[in-house]
Amino acid sequence: LAKTTQPISMDSYEGQEVNITCSHNNIATNDYITWYQQFPSQGPRFIIQGYKTKVTNEVASLFIPADRKSSTLSLPRVSLSDTAVYYCLVAPGSNYQLIWGAGTKLIIKP
Amino acid sequence: EAQVTQNPRYLITVTGKKLTVTCSQNMNHEYMSWYRQDPGLGLRQIYYSMNVEVTDKGDVPEGYKVSRKEKRNFPLILESPSPNQTSLYFCASSAAGGPIHGYTFGSGTRLTVV
Repeated sequence: LAKTTQPISMDSYEGQEVNITCSHNNIATNDYITWYQQFPSQGPRFIIQGYKTKVTNEVASLFIPADRKSSTLSLPRVSLSDTAVYYCLVAPGSNYQLIWGAGTKLIIKP
Repeated sequence: EAQVTQNPRYLITVTGKKLTVTCSQNMNHEYMSWYRQDPGLGLRQIYYSMNVEVTDKGDVPEGYKVSRKEKRNFPLILESPSPNQTSLYFCASSAAGGPIHGYTFGSGTRLTVV
């Protein structure tokens, strides 16, 4: 399983776009990149998943460069309610054993 | 509403008193898993089940048991709880294929063993 590296914490302000980058230098060919959001005392919530290039859904975008050694989660126009911990995970699509890192604690200020 | 339901949400118990934390999902998911979350240690997988009657150990299975007699339910059993099992527990499920479909997590069970 590929090891991931994320910033421990980030601050931003309401209305700004926030980009959280995850490094995964030893990503394997059949690995997918997945991001989760977790609020205190709640279970993680699946945000977005991708394999390469760009993926967009109603809440976020995921940018993956051609070498796939990193990925960037982009949250457009954040609000206070986006304050949470964000986890980047990399694993084969069929692998059920995910390794969760410490995540990135994102704090949004008024 | 599609969800994973855990019960109880909070539980305080004494060392050695057997307990069961229930987990049920209504999405017809094949895969279910239990995690514990501790400060500084993140989420660690306890057990997982790829389908009915199929279970396997995760990273920290010692002191826990699970069973998967029906697709929707995946209870976590602590036969003889100890204080080091005080933690926040999450149950999760996903469709066949695992992570590629994303996991749905329950709301958590905060267990305190005294």
